[in-house]
Amino acid sequence: QSALTQPAFVSGSPGQSITIPCTGTSNDIGAYNSVSWYQQHPGKAPKLIIHNVNNRPSGVSNRFSGSKSGNTASLTISGLQAEDEADYYCTSYIGSSISWLFGGGTKLAVL
Amino acid sequence: QVSLVQSGGEVKKPGASVKVSCKASGYTFTTYGISWVRQAPGQGLEWMGWINPHNGNTKYAQNFQGRVTLTTDTSTSTAYMELMSLRSDDTAVYYCVKETYGKFDYWGQGTLVIVSS
Repeated sequence: QSALTQPAFVSGSPGQSITIPCTGTSNDIGAYNSVSWYQQHPGKAPKLIIHNVNNRPSGVSNRFSGSKSGNTASLTISGLQAEDEADYYCTSYIGSSISWLFGGGTKLAVL
Repeated sequence: QVSLVQSGGEVKKPGASVKVSCKASGYTFTTYGISWVRQAPGQGLEWMGWINPHNGNTKYAQNFQGRVTLTTDTSTSTAYMELMSLRSDDTAVYYCVKETYGKFDYWGQGTLVIVSS
């Protein structure tokens, strides 16, 4: 299976909102509500920020939200802050085959 | 608190094998799966495989079938990833990850494996 598709780069100004799309197929994102999003700062391990499409783990800012429509999932970050500058990855869990697909990653710049 | 502590970095020659360990603590090791994810320099994340520590069942990504072996030692709550026939493009940071109902909720600190002659 191919990787999920994300834009390579997204930018926004402090206080603005941005949305990062993650496009898959009817066999992955379209078939399961097991989309997760991860934030990765340079030199650090990724961190879970959204799971099961739109659920935030305890301790994650409510400025992060997720959604899904058809074969595309999206991560929205509202009220952009400098600390949000990082790489973001989507993942879809393929339950029928116990496997995971990652998106190629999106670099977010807060200008 | 949940913690995954991985072994230190390695330098290997092409054709060799590497075995990375991941010691889990802060939860019942046999209750949740462990996945391994790698990241080549400047590149994205790539899922390699998954193991159920309770029964040893494994699932490997197609790209790594036949070259990677995942194991666990439940007596020490440690997971292992062995990658064989190393190539230069296997140079990457390798992460072990606790998997809970499809999400990767805790990550190890990563282990850099460099493959160079």
